[in-house]
Amino acid sequence: GQQVMQIPQYQHVQEGEDFTTYCNSSTTLSNIQWYKQRPGGHPVFLIQLVKSGEVKKQKRLTFQFGEAKKNSSLHITATQTTDVGTYFCAGPRDSSYKLIFGSGTRLLVRP
Amino acid sequence: DAGITQSPRYKITETGRQVTLMCHQTWSHSYMFWYRQDLGHGLRLIYYSAAADITDKGEVPDGYVVSRSKTENFPLTLESATRSQTSVYFCASQGTEAFFGQGTRLTVV
Repeated sequence: GQQVMQIPQYQHVQEGEDFTTYCNSSTTLSNIQWYKQRPGGHPVFLIQLVKSGEVKKQKRLTFQFGEAKKNSSLHITATQTTDVGTYFCAGPRDSSYKLIFGSGTRLLVRP
Repeated sequence: DAGITQSPRYKITETGRQVTLMCHQTWSHSYMFWYRQDLGHGLRLIYYSAAADITDKGEVPDGYVVSRSKTENFPLTLESATRSQTSVYFCASQGTEAFFGQGTRLTVV
């Protein structure tokens, strides 16, 4: 069945270091979404990418959608303690409106 | 205020009891979902609904029942709670993106 994998599962960085999480789908996706979940909180939508090769930036966060539309990445420049949380990618399940979520990457930041 | 609310936020119940988790959204989104979140499993889809009176099973539906008589409400019922259903449950409604409720932390003892 369709799978969405994320690596790494955990990342522990020193504040100020960069961080990247990678998302890989077993199928081509029409779009990919990224969510952030703070500890004890709920997932919150960050961004959606639609076009092949698309790159979008939100302040220190850079999101990329692969040329083949099967992979994506989220890069955070100069992490801050406020970046702590779990980052999930999600894509349409079986080309439907349902989303399939990656397993998430948990980011811990040492002050 | 527009939003999605879940209740209760925390619940402890005994094995074998019936439990209903409530979800209410004010956006009039057609699509609504129930997920459970467990360590090591991410977000797993339990049930979903495309509109009032239209529901369908997700990845892990066993032991759960849903209904959707009104667009804004999507309750999830555990018919006979088991310890394996101890989890954090998230309801979501979806337009272009998914909006999640605050979650219900359920413990079955």
